[in-house]
Amino acid sequence: NAGVTQTPKFRILKIGQSMTLQCTQDMNHNYMYWYRQDPGMGLKLIYYSVGAGITDKGEVPNGYNVSRSTTEDFPLRLELAAPSQTSVYFCASSYSSRAETQYFGPGTRLLVL
Amino acid sequence: DQQVKQNSPSLSVQEGRISILNCDYTNSMFDYFLWYKKYPAEGPTFLISISSIKDKNEDGRFTVFLNKSAKHLSLHIVPSQPGDSAVYFCAASRNYGGATNKLIFGTGTLLAVQP
Repeated sequence: NAGVTQTPKFRILKIGQSMTLQCTQDMNHNYMYWYRQDPGMGLKLIYYSVGAGITDKGEVPNGYNVSRSTTEDFPLRLELAAPSQTSVYFCASSYSSRAETQYFGPGTRLLVL
Repeated sequence: DQQVKQNSPSLSVQEGRISILNCDYTNSMFDYFLWYKKYPAEGPTFLISISSIKDKNEDGRFTVFLNKSAKHLSLHIVPSQPGDSAVYFCAASRNYGGATNKLIFGTGTLLAVQP
């Protein structure tokens, strides 16, 4: 099983550019999440989804958009990249609403210059 | 406003000894706590959790202690092994009718276990 896969692994963006971070899971999990981890900080929840077609904001949603058209995929969209969005982005999925069941992807490192 | 704090950025321990990682929280509404382990270039993995109705939970070499009055929890690893070297994150959540997945993370502690 691949688990949770994220692409790309690393990306450099210029200010104002847009991009989509891809996340796919092959475990048929209903719940999916996007987190960001800034240097020296803990992870912060950006958006989450409890199933296809259902998304909700987390702690730090500003500057991001998400969609969930399938169970497997949960892309994160940055429309106008800003230096403050330089971070490592982690996607996670889970089969329940219990935190212990979250499986994390390896992360995408994003640098906005 | 850091609701979950890990005040020690790093900790170095000899192999075979006890590692104690500490975490403090400020929000008294938190009632579920977890520890995650993270290796470089990987996502975090769940290690152990504790509900606020308990003061101790043990899983093999890992034990988590919760002191609600002090808003403090700690992770004990005994005995420590070189493979335990990683960043450890403390996380907290409210239990919304069984849902504990809206996590607030601490800043992490880098544990180095010396052979």
